[in-house]
Amino acid sequence: DTEVTQTPKHLVMGMTNKKSLKCEQHMGHRAMYWYKQKAKKPPELMFVYSYEKLSINESVPSRFSPECPNSSLLNLHLHALQPEDSALYLCASSQDPGQGTYEQYFGPGTRLTVT
Amino acid sequence: QKEVEQDPGPLSVPEGAIVSLNCTYSNSAFQYFMWYRQYSRKGPELLMYTYSSGNKEDGRFTAQVDKSSKYISLFIRDSQPSDSATYLCAMSSNTGNQFYFGTGTSLTVIP
Repeated sequence: DTEVTQTPKHLVMGMTNKKSLKCEQHMGHRAMYWYKQKAKKPPELMFVYSYEKLSINESVPSRFSPECPNSSLLNLHLHALQPEDSALYLCASSQDPGQGTYEQYFGPGTRLTVT
Repeated sequence: QKEVEQDPGPLSVPEGAIVSLNCTYSNSAFQYFMWYRQYSRKGPELLMYTYSSGNKEDGRFTAQVDKSSKYISLFIRDSQPSDSATYLCAMSSNTGNQFYFGTGTSLTVIP
């Protein structure tokens, strides 16, 4: 099973709202990732969690706050977003970041619209 | 210079054609090479994964890595309309867990 699940599939939120995106994998992977993807562009890395610790933060604005409650779950908390934050948010996981980078498996994404 | 270069296309071929998709890269530390297929408004799906130089075949798909030229390819034989998607190459070194993506090539296979 190489499935990464994400909820919700679609999210519309106002600029003053607080919402969360959720990601789950049961492959025993120890690295989990958040990406942002705009139309006709490749995914842009936002955050990496390695063994449940934040290891990479690609200078993402503080209105995006990641959380890794356990090795299977990854959340992205959203607050005071801007319309330009509208995008497809992708979660991914990979096997063992400590031994080199194995292939990443992506979820279906959450399509976020900020109004 | 970008880490990974990929022709964005679009590429349009008739059904049954052989498709060749390519990426070049500049970082000689890259060891892991992947190809993803992404349908419109969906997440990327891992197609092929190779380590270092050589060829790997999986059904109608063949991935080729030439580290001396810093060049990777994905070949699709007997292309089908269902292959119409954006194809992303990705690569990484073995010193971290960061991926570098190409910009993606949009492919349309015409019935």
